[in-house]
Order: sequence, then C-alpha cells, then structure tokens
Amino acid sequence: GDSVTQMEGPVTLSEEAFLTINCTYTATGYPSLFWYVQYPGEGLQLLLKATKADDKGSNKGFEATYRKETTSFHLEKGSVQVSDSAVYFCALGGNNDMRFGAGTRLTVKP
Amino acid sequence: DTAVSQTPKYLVTQMGNDKSIKCEQNLGHDTMYWYKQDSKKFLKIMFSYNNKELIINETVPNRFSPKSPDKAHLNLHINSLELGDSAVYFCASSQGRGGRSGNEQFFGPGTRLTVL
Repeated sequence: GDSVTQMEGPVTLSEEAFLTINCTYTATGYPSLFWYVQYPGEGLQLLLKATKADDKGSNKGFEATYRKETTSFHLEKGSVQVSDSAVYFCALGGNNDMRFGAGTRLTVKP
Repeated sequence: DTAVSQTPKYLVTQMGNDKSIKCEQNLGHDTMYWYKQDSKKFLKIMFSYNNKELIINETVPNRFSPKSPDKAHLNLHINSLELGDSAVYFCASSQGRGGRSGNEQFFGPGTRLTVL
C-alpha cells in the first residue's frame, strides 16, 4: 500500500545550519505530498505541500520538491533558527486518509 | 476563533473507567478524523467520518467508539480504559476525503489521556 518513509531522528543542529530531512514515498499513481510540523504541546500544522511532480512547496524558508524519478520529497531549509525546533512529519495524501511518516525531531541549539 | 477544538485538553483517569473526548470544527469541512499519537510521536489513524458516514475504521479495540452527530462534531468514547490507552489523541478535519488531491488536514490541539 501507499506509504512514506522519513529519516529517523533526532536531528540536532546549531543555529544557521543547513537542514535536510529525507522523505521517500511508495504509491500508485501521483498522490499529493505534504510536510507537517508539530511544535511542543500542539497539534500538527501544515508546513507546505506539493500536488504534482516537479512542484516545489515552500513556506517560512522551508522548501521541498516533489521528485517522481526518485520518489522523494525532502525537506530543506538554508538557515535554521531555534524556533524551528519541532517534530516534522512527511505525509502522503491517500484516497480516504493521510499516510504519515514516523516523524523527525529537530532540535536547534543557539 | 479556534478552527478545530477538542475537550478536554488533559484527562487523567483510573483503569476500567469510561471517558469521552469531544471534537468540533468550525471550518465547514465534511470529513473528520481521530488519530492516536504514542510517546514516540508515531501517529496512527483510528477513525474517519465523511458527512457523518464512517469511512475509516482501523484495527482499533471495540472499546473505542466514535460518534458523529453532525458534520461539525466527532466524539470519541472509550470504555474500560487500559494502561495502554495512555496517549495523545488528535482530532482533525478536511474538506473532502483523504489528501490525494491536495486537501490538507487541520488538527486540533490534542487531548493527553493518562490512565493510572
């Protein structure tokens, strides 16, 4: 069935470092892909999405490109801040549900 | 206004008790979901309703029973609570089923359930 696999954490970076969180997917057809972020004590919120191959989603300095040839949707940010510390979830839009990855915890140190 | 709200935010109870969690969304969405998040942050879908019709009923003990009185509400009742039910439960909503065509899900703040 459709699924996503994201890199295991935790990830610890210094402020202003470059971030990459890998996400690959398995699916029939061309589903939409999402990145959600969960800040401590809160629910998940959409960070960005892409609905077709070669689309780039971007928000708050984060970017991810829907790559059909490598079945990937890696999350990147050029310069992370302490306030980016959170758990990040890659997700794949199914016909009736959303398939979430296991989550990657990011900690950014000053 | 809060888009997806849940009550209570915290719930501490004894094993064997029955409890309910309520969820309401004011986004006009037609689909609502319940997720369980364990201590490792793994998110598992439990149920989904579309226009008050149950469309996802994952492998969940039948002690868990969802109820959708209308499109804006989805409640979760849990009978005979067990230690393993301790988790954070999230309600979510979306317009349309699933997310294949790009429909995002909006999450509530979560209900932290602790069973003693």
